[in-house]
Amino acid sequence: AQKVTQAQTEISVVEKEDVTLDCVYETRDTTYYLFWYKQPPSGELVFLIRRNSFDEQNEISGRYSWNFQKSTSSFNFTITASQVVDSAVYFCALRKTSYDKVIFGPGTSLSVIP
Amino acid sequence: DGGITQSPKYLFRKEGQNVTLSCEQNLNHDAMYWYRQDPGQGLRLIYYSQIVNDFQKGDIAEGYSVSREKKESFPLTVTSAQKNPTAFYLCASGDAGSNEKLFFGSGTQLSVL
Repeated sequence: AQKVTQAQTEISVVEKEDVTLDCVYETRDTTYYLFWYKQPPSGELVFLIRRNSFDEQNEISGRYSWNFQKSTSSFNFTITASQVVDSAVYFCALRKTSYDKVIFGPGTSLSVIP
Repeated sequence: DGGITQSPKYLFRKEGQNVTLSCEQNLNHDAMYWYRQDPGQGLRLIYYSQIVNDFQKGDIAEGYSVSREKKESFPLTVTSAQKNPTAFYLCASGDAGSNEKLFFGSGTQLSVL
């Protein structure tokens, strides 16, 4: 069975601190896709990144970086020098194949305090 | 602008009443999805459709129904059989057969009177 776990329910940091959001997934498949989405207070989910199971290279996009480790089934997300605008709920998600449903984790609510 | 439109933003349901949530997209996507969001539980899949006139049950389909008569539209009906309908409902679309991202609407908050 597929499952996505985000053990951190809520995180609070002070502005400019770095913060890492954890994501652990379970799947028996060798080919799969991992995603991160951001849900700001407006409610609409915004796509952040997609990674396939064959690409373990870490990725950096501005203040955002992602660490994918198949050995530990983790796909962690780090925000460097956090800002108030980063306050949102962040979801990690897993998809097995192109025609399969997307499984979301429970989300981590991040509050960045000025 | 291309995107997904959900309406209404807020909806109230009386006991025993069926209500329908609208979802329209102009992104030319074949696949559309309905998710339910409850606090602390993330997004749970209700129904999804990969092509017009076809749809599949997700993890929590009981008490819900959908139709997919047009590519652009995927309405969700919350029936009276759904005993705990209060939640935030999100519609999404994407390219069928693709592992690209999903596009989400801004959601509908459904509450019971």
